Order: sequence, then structure tokens, then C-alpha cells
Amino acid sequence: KQEVTQIPAALSVPEGENLVLNCSFTDSAIYNLQWFRQDPGKGLTSLLLIQSSQREQTSGRLNASLDKSSGRSTLYIAASQPGDSATYLCAVIQGGSEKLVFGKGTKLTVNP
Amino acid sequence: EPEVTQTPSHQVTQMGQEVILRCVPISNHLYFYWYRQILGQKVEFLVSFYNNEISEKSEIFDDQFSVERPDGSNFTLKIRSTKLEDSAMYFCASCVERENIQYFGAGTRLSVL
Repeated sequence: KQEVTQIPAALSVPEGENLVLNCSFTDSAIYNLQWFRQDPGKGLTSLLLIQSSQREQTSGRLNASLDKSSGRSTLYIAASQPGDSATYLCAVIQGGSEKLVFGKGTKLTVNP
Repeated sequence: EPEVTQTPSHQVTQMGQEVILRCVPISNHLYFYWYRQILGQKVEFLVSFYNNEISEKSEIFDDQFSVERPDGSNFTLKIRSTKLEDSAMYFCASCVERENIQYFGAGTRLSVL
């Protein structure tokens, strides 16, 4: 059974700092991996999707990498801003399935 | 920008009552999903729906749950007899192709008293 773990559970950084969020998954037979942002009491906003054949994806200040064989992904946020404060969720789709399996998330606080 | 719309944003119900949560997926999407998030816990998959039938469901999705696409735009989740433990945020999602980006709605907070 696929398990997704995110470390750290919470992270507090000063504005302007570059940071890395980590995601690991137990079964490397994934089809893709998706990073989401969740604001308190709100829905999930898709940030980046990486197909299993890809190594990384970039969108603005965000860069996500995938090492499928080791079961790891990282989300790099450059020059963090207070507006980046949110919970970041990692989720994978297993080959042959349609469901996203989520981690518990990393709660990021960027202090002005 | 097209978005997934969910109504109501908050539903309060008594234990044992039936509830219907409603979703309008993005118009050209073909795959539809329900997930739930109990407070403080992970987002969990409930069910996927394609071509007017369930394509995958979790062990959570028992006989108390059902889904329907009653017309060309709405996608509903029905809970027949709610329990206290059904209290959660319920998210609808859709995507244009299987295993592509799933777009989520803002969710319906269900409170069972």
C-alpha cells in the first residue's frame, strides 16, 4: 500500500529565504506526482505535476524534482514571500490507479 | 479561468439524515472524483467516476455513499445516513484525461451533529 510522507510537518522562515520541502513515497511504481497548496479552510490548488518519466518541473519561483527510483520528490521555493504561507501537499498516482494518495503536508510560514 | 464549483460551502446535519453534496466540474473534463479530509488528517480518496459509472472506489466508500451525474453539468455525492465520523471537508475534483492534473473545488464542510 502506497504511503506518502512529508518532512518537515511545519517550517517557519524569514521572507526572502530559499527553501526545500520534502516528500517521500514507499512504492516507486507511480504514474505521476503532484504538488498542491492548501490555504486554511480552502480547497487545493495544483502547483506542479511531474510525470514519472520527468526529473523536474518549474513554474515561476517553484521547482519540483522527482527521483522515482529512490521514492523522493522535493519542492524548491525561491525567494519566499509572506503570501507563500500555506500548507503544501504532495500526492502520487499509482500506476493502474486513478486516485491521488496524499501526504499530510508541510505547513509553511514565511515571516515578513 | 474555469474552476470546479462546490455547493454548499458548509452543511450542518443531524446524525442519521441524508445529505447531498453538489459539484460542477470543469466543463470539458471527463473524469470526476470525490475526496475527503477529516480535520487534521490527510486528504483521502473516496471515488472516481467516468462515463457514467464508478471506475474506482476506496474502502471508505461503502453502501452509505453513492455518486451520480444527474445531468451534463452536476456531479453529486450522497450520504444516506450520516454518522458523526462523516464530519469532514469533502472535495470534488475533475480532470480532462485520466492521470492528468486534477483540479479541486473549494470543498464542502460537512458537520454531523
